[in-house]
Amino acid sequence: GESVGLHLPTLSVQEGDNSIINCAYSNSASDYFIWYKQESGKGPQFIIDIRSNMDKRQGQRVTVLLNKTVKHLSLQIAATQPGDSAVYFCAEIKAAGNKLTFGGGTRVLVKP
Amino acid sequence: EPEVTQTPSHQVTQMGQEVILRCVPISNHLYFYWYRQILGQKVEFLVSFYNNEISEKSEIFDDQFSVERPDGSNFTLKIRSTKLEDSAMYFCASSEAEGREAFFGQGTRLTVV
Repeated sequence: GESVGLHLPTLSVQEGDNSIINCAYSNSASDYFIWYKQESGKGPQFIIDIRSNMDKRQGQRVTVLLNKTVKHLSLQIAATQPGDSAVYFCAEIKAAGNKLTFGGGTRVLVKP
Repeated sequence: EPEVTQTPSHQVTQMGQEVILRCVPISNHLYFYWYRQILGQKVEFLVSFYNNEISEKSEIFDDQFSVERPDGSNFTLKIRSTKLEDSAMYFCASSEAEGREAFFGQGTRLTVV
């Protein structure tokens, strides 16, 4: 039958509040994880990355947390701004590889 | 800031026609990729390219697809005989080294009619 577009979970957040976006990964051989932001009609934009030997990494207004025990990744955005409205994808790379495997994405809507 | 550039931004083609999508990766990058995103779906890996040869490809990347680095700056994706289901955004990406973050271009929207 006809394929249906992916239904994206949506996080609606008030401007100035913090956002937390979650991602579960399946491949325990993955050792490198990246968060990408994709605005409408544009390509994925690198935000932050983390290697499997770390459990936390901070950037400017963003923090990535990695829990290898439950294969869970999260992205925290502090003081969310209207420009943060986009779809956020987590992606993983397995050891000794280059192929990015993307998750399903979360749409973030920032309310003024 | 260096960026990956793709041309054209939008390509409309008739079913059965050949198309070539073009990309200029970031100049000091060594690994090149093509991904695609069907409308409303997640980004899917097509192929990776290093040292003038394909290093990995997905099931999507069948005999109708080919890639080439014709000179020191361009990286192309050719679809030999387009099908309706090839309609998607095609993203080129490049990375500096193995296991490093990939930087994406703005994409080419391919519409097959």
